[in-house]
Amino acid sequence: EPEVTQTPSHQVTQMGQEVILRCVPISNHLYFYWYRQILGQKVEFLVSFYNNEISEKSEIFDDQFSVERPDGSNFTLKIRSTKLEDSAMYFCASSRTGYSTDTQYFGPGTRLTVL
Amino acid sequence: DAKTTQPNSMESNEEEPVHLPCNHSTISGTDYIHWYRQLPSQGPEYVIHGLTSNVNNRMASLAIAEDRKSSTLILHRATLRDAAVYYCIPIGGGSNYKLTFGKGTLLTVNP
Repeated sequence: EPEVTQTPSHQVTQMGQEVILRCVPISNHLYFYWYRQILGQKVEFLVSFYNNEISEKSEIFDDQFSVERPDGSNFTLKIRSTKLEDSAMYFCASSRTGYSTDTQYFGPGTRLTVL
Repeated sequence: DAKTTQPNSMESNEEEPVHLPCNHSTISGTDYIHWYRQLPSQGPEYVIHGLTSNVNNRMASLAIAEDRKSSTLILHRATLRDAAVYYCIPIGGGSNYKLTFGKGTLLTVNP
Protein backbone atom coordinates (compact mmCIF):
# COMPACT_ATOMS: atom_id res chain seq x y z
CA GLU A 1 0.00 0.00 0.00
CA PRO A 2 1.42 3.42 -0.94
CA GLU A 3 2.47 5.57 1.99
CA VAL A 4 3.77 9.01 2.81
CA THR A 5 7.37 9.02 3.96
CA GLN A 6 9.24 11.66 5.92
CA THR A 7 12.91 12.30 6.61
CA PRO A 8 14.60 12.62 8.96
CA SER A 9 12.67 10.90 11.71
CA HIS A 10 14.39 13.09 14.30
CA GLN A 11 16.19 16.40 13.78
CA VAL A 12 18.08 18.22 16.49
CA THR A 13 19.13 21.79 15.80
CA GLN A 14 20.37 24.88 17.57
CA MET A 15 18.12 27.89 17.98
CA GLY A 16 18.48 30.25 15.03
CA GLN A 17 19.51 27.55 12.58
CA GLU A 18 17.62 26.71 9.41
CA VAL A 19 16.02 23.29 9.05
CA ILE A 20 14.41 21.55 6.11
CA LEU A 21 11.97 18.74 6.73
CA ARG A 22 11.35 16.44 3.81
CA CYS A 23 8.32 14.49 2.72
CA VAL A 24 7.57 12.19 -0.18
CA PRO A 25 3.78 12.21 -0.71
CA ILE A 26 1.88 9.38 -2.37
CA SER A 27 2.72 9.51 -6.06
CA ASN A 28 -0.64 10.33 -7.66
CA HIS A 29 -1.68 12.81 -4.99
CA LEU A 30 -2.05 16.47 -5.86
CA TYR A 31 -2.71 18.16 -2.50
CA PHE A 32 -0.08 18.40 0.20
CA TYR A 33 -0.21 19.52 3.79
CA TRP A 34 1.96 20.14 6.83
CA TYR A 35 0.70 19.82 10.39
CA ARG A 36 2.55 20.01 13.68
CA GLN A 37 1.95 18.64 17.15
CA ILE A 38 3.69 20.10 20.16
CA LEU A 39 4.21 17.44 22.82
CA GLY A 40 0.96 16.77 24.68
CA GLN A 41 -1.07 19.14 22.53
CA LYS A 42 -3.41 18.98 19.56
CA VAL A 43 -2.40 18.38 15.98
CA GLU A 44 -2.41 21.81 14.30
CA PHE A 45 -2.74 22.66 10.61
CA LEU A 46 0.13 24.68 9.17
CA VAL A 47 -0.30 24.90 5.41
CA SER A 48 -1.88 23.30 2.37
CA PHE A 49 -0.28 23.31 -1.08
CA TYR A 50 -1.67 22.63 -4.53
CA ASN A 51 -0.45 23.30 -8.05
CA ASN A 52 2.82 24.74 -6.74
CA GLU A 53 1.07 27.33 -4.63
CA ILE A 54 0.03 27.68 -1.03
CA SER A 55 -3.74 27.18 -0.85
CA GLU A 56 -4.20 28.06 2.78
CA LYS A 57 -1.97 28.75 5.76
CA SER A 58 -2.59 29.13 9.45
CA GLU A 59 -1.48 31.92 11.76
CA ILE A 60 1.37 29.70 12.87
CA PHE A 61 2.81 29.66 9.35
CA ASP A 62 4.58 33.01 9.47
CA ASP A 63 7.47 34.37 7.40
CA GLN A 64 9.88 31.96 9.07
CA PHE A 65 8.17 29.06 7.33
CA SER A 66 8.16 28.16 3.65
CA VAL A 67 7.14 25.16 1.60
CA GLU A 68 8.36 23.92 -1.72
CA ARG A 69 7.94 21.07 -4.14
CA PRO A 70 11.41 21.15 -5.66
CA ASP A 71 10.85 18.18 -7.95
CA GLY A 72 8.10 15.76 -8.85
CA SER A 73 8.31 13.76 -5.67
CA ASN A 74 9.49 15.77 -2.66
CA PHE A 75 7.56 18.28 -0.59
CA THR A 76 9.60 20.28 1.92
CA LEU A 77 8.98 22.50 4.91
CA LYS A 78 11.72 25.00 5.71
CA ILE A 79 12.03 26.89 8.95
CA ARG A 80 14.50 29.72 8.43
CA SER A 81 15.51 30.57 11.96
CA THR A 82 14.30 28.03 14.46
CA LYS A 83 13.00 29.01 17.88
CA LEU A 84 12.64 26.88 20.99
CA GLU A 85 8.87 26.86 20.51
CA ASP A 86 9.25 25.23 17.08
CA SER A 87 10.09 21.98 18.86
CA ALA A 88 7.31 19.59 17.84
CA MET A 89 6.37 16.62 15.68
CA TYR A 90 5.83 17.73 12.11
CA PHE A 91 3.51 15.63 9.98
CA CYS A 92 3.24 15.75 6.23
CA ALA A 93 0.02 14.59 4.58
CA SER A 94 -1.25 14.24 1.05
CA SER A 95 -4.56 13.63 -0.67
CA ARG A 96 -5.51 12.83 -4.23
CA THR A 97 -8.03 15.62 -4.40
CA GLY A 98 -8.78 18.47 -2.04
CA TYR A 99 -12.44 17.59 -1.68
CA SER A 100 -13.96 16.98 1.71
CA THR A 101 -14.97 13.48 0.66
CA ASP A 102 -11.33 12.57 0.23
CA THR A 103 -8.85 11.16 2.72
CA GLN A 104 -5.62 12.69 3.90
CA TYR A 105 -2.76 10.23 4.31
CA PHE A 106 -0.21 11.14 6.95
CA GLY A 107 3.46 10.34 7.21
CA PRO A 108 5.09 9.07 10.40
CA GLY A 109 6.37 12.52 11.32
CA THR A 110 9.67 14.25 11.99
CA ARG A 111 10.46 15.10 15.58
CA LEU A 112 12.17 18.50 15.63
CA THR A 113 14.09 19.41 18.76
CA VAL A 114 15.40 22.96 19.01
CA LEU A 115 18.07 23.52 21.67
CA ASP B 1 -15.57 25.02 11.52
CA ALA B 2 -18.17 23.17 13.55
CA LYS B 3 -17.25 22.64 17.21
CA THR B 4 -17.04 19.10 18.49
CA THR B 5 -17.33 17.57 21.94
CA GLN B 6 -15.85 14.16 22.68
CA PRO B 7 -15.18 12.38 25.98
CA ASN B 8 -11.57 12.82 27.06
CA SER B 9 -11.10 9.10 27.53
CA MET B 10 -12.84 5.75 27.28
CA GLU B 11 -11.88 2.24 28.21
CA SER B 12 -12.77 -1.08 26.65
CA ASN B 13 -11.88 -4.71 26.89
CA GLU B 14 -10.33 -6.61 24.03
CA GLU B 15 -12.82 -8.34 21.72
CA GLU B 16 -15.70 -6.16 22.94
CA PRO B 17 -17.51 -3.48 20.92
CA VAL B 18 -16.66 0.17 21.52
CA HIS B 19 -18.94 3.12 20.86
CA LEU B 20 -17.13 6.45 20.65
CA PRO B 21 -19.52 9.42 20.69
CA CYS B 22 -19.08 12.86 19.20
CA ASN B 23 -21.33 15.86 19.52
CA HIS B 24 -21.21 18.35 16.63
CA SER B 25 -24.38 20.35 17.16
CA THR B 26 -23.18 23.34 15.05
CA ILE B 27 -22.50 21.23 11.98
CA SER B 28 -23.74 22.67 8.69
CA GLY B 29 -25.77 20.77 6.13
CA THR B 30 -22.86 20.14 3.77
CA ASP B 31 -20.25 19.13 6.35
CA TYR B 32 -18.93 15.61 6.12
CA ILE B 33 -18.11 13.91 9.41
CA HIS B 34 -14.66 12.40 9.33
CA TRP B 35 -13.00 10.25 11.97
CA TYR B 36 -9.26 9.91 12.25
CA ARG B 37 -7.19 8.20 14.90
CA GLN B 38 -3.64 8.58 16.12
CA LEU B 39 -1.85 5.53 17.46
CA PRO B 40 0.95 6.19 19.96
CA SER B 41 3.96 7.87 18.34
CA GLN B 42 2.39 7.79 14.87
CA GLY B 43 0.77 10.20 12.47
CA PRO B 44 -3.02 10.46 12.28
CA GLU B 45 -4.78 7.78 10.28
CA TYR B 46 -8.11 7.96 8.47
CA VAL B 47 -10.84 5.75 9.87
CA ILE B 48 -14.15 6.56 8.19
CA HIS B 49 -16.39 9.40 7.03
CA GLY B 50 -20.04 10.00 6.21
CA LEU B 51 -22.62 12.66 5.47
CA THR B 52 -26.05 11.44 6.47
CA SER B 53 -26.33 7.67 6.19
CA ASN B 54 -24.60 5.17 8.41
CA VAL B 55 -21.36 3.92 6.88
CA ASN B 56 -19.34 0.74 7.25
CA ASN B 57 -15.82 -0.13 6.21
CA ARG B 58 -13.29 -2.74 7.21
CA MET B 59 -12.11 -0.70 10.18
CA ALA B 60 -15.31 0.57 11.74
CA SER B 61 -18.90 1.71 11.40
CA LEU B 62 -20.19 5.25 11.65
CA ALA B 63 -23.67 5.91 12.95
CA ILE B 64 -24.93 9.44 12.26
CA ALA B 65 -27.92 10.82 14.13
CA GLU B 66 -30.91 11.80 12.07
CA ASP B 67 -30.46 15.47 12.97
CA ARG B 68 -26.70 15.12 12.27
CA LYS B 69 -25.84 16.81 15.54
CA SER B 70 -24.00 13.79 16.80
CA SER B 71 -22.32 10.67 15.53
CA THR B 72 -20.88 7.49 16.97
CA LEU B 73 -17.85 5.59 15.79
CA ILE B 74 -18.28 1.88 16.39
CA LEU B 75 -15.39 -0.55 16.64
CA HIS B 76 -17.09 -3.93 16.52
CA ARG B 77 -14.37 -5.91 18.28
CA ALA B 78 -11.68 -3.83 19.89
CA THR B 79 -8.12 -5.09 19.67
CA LEU B 80 -5.04 -3.87 21.49
CA ARG B 81 -3.99 -2.21 18.24
CA ASP B 82 -7.09 0.01 18.43
CA ALA B 83 -5.70 1.85 21.47
CA ALA B 84 -5.37 5.39 20.15
CA VAL B 85 -6.74 8.92 20.26
CA TYR B 86 -9.86 9.16 18.10
CA TYR B 87 -10.82 12.45 16.50
CA CYS B 88 -14.19 13.43 15.10
CA ILE B 89 -13.76 16.20 12.50
CA PRO B 90 -16.59 17.87 10.57
CA ILE B 91 -15.32 19.11 7.22
CA GLY B 92 -17.13 21.60 5.02
CA GLY B 93 -18.08 20.63 1.52
CA GLY B 94 -15.92 21.82 -1.32
CA SER B 95 -12.25 21.71 -2.04
CA ASN B 96 -9.02 22.63 -0.33
CA TYR B 97 -10.02 21.37 3.05
CA LYS B 98 -7.86 21.25 6.13
CA LEU B 99 -8.26 18.99 9.14
CA THR B 100 -8.95 20.78 12.41
CA PHE B 101 -8.14 18.39 15.23
CA GLY B 102 -9.64 18.70 18.68
CA LYS B 103 -8.39 16.88 21.76
CA GLY B 104 -10.16 13.67 20.76
CA THR B 105 -10.95 10.61 22.87
CA LEU B 106 -8.13 8.49 24.24
CA LEU B 107 -9.24 4.88 23.94
CA THR B 108 -7.59 2.36 26.24
CA VAL B 109 -8.10 -1.32 25.40
CA ASN B 110 -7.56 -3.79 28.20
CA PRO B 111 -6.37 -7.33 27.39
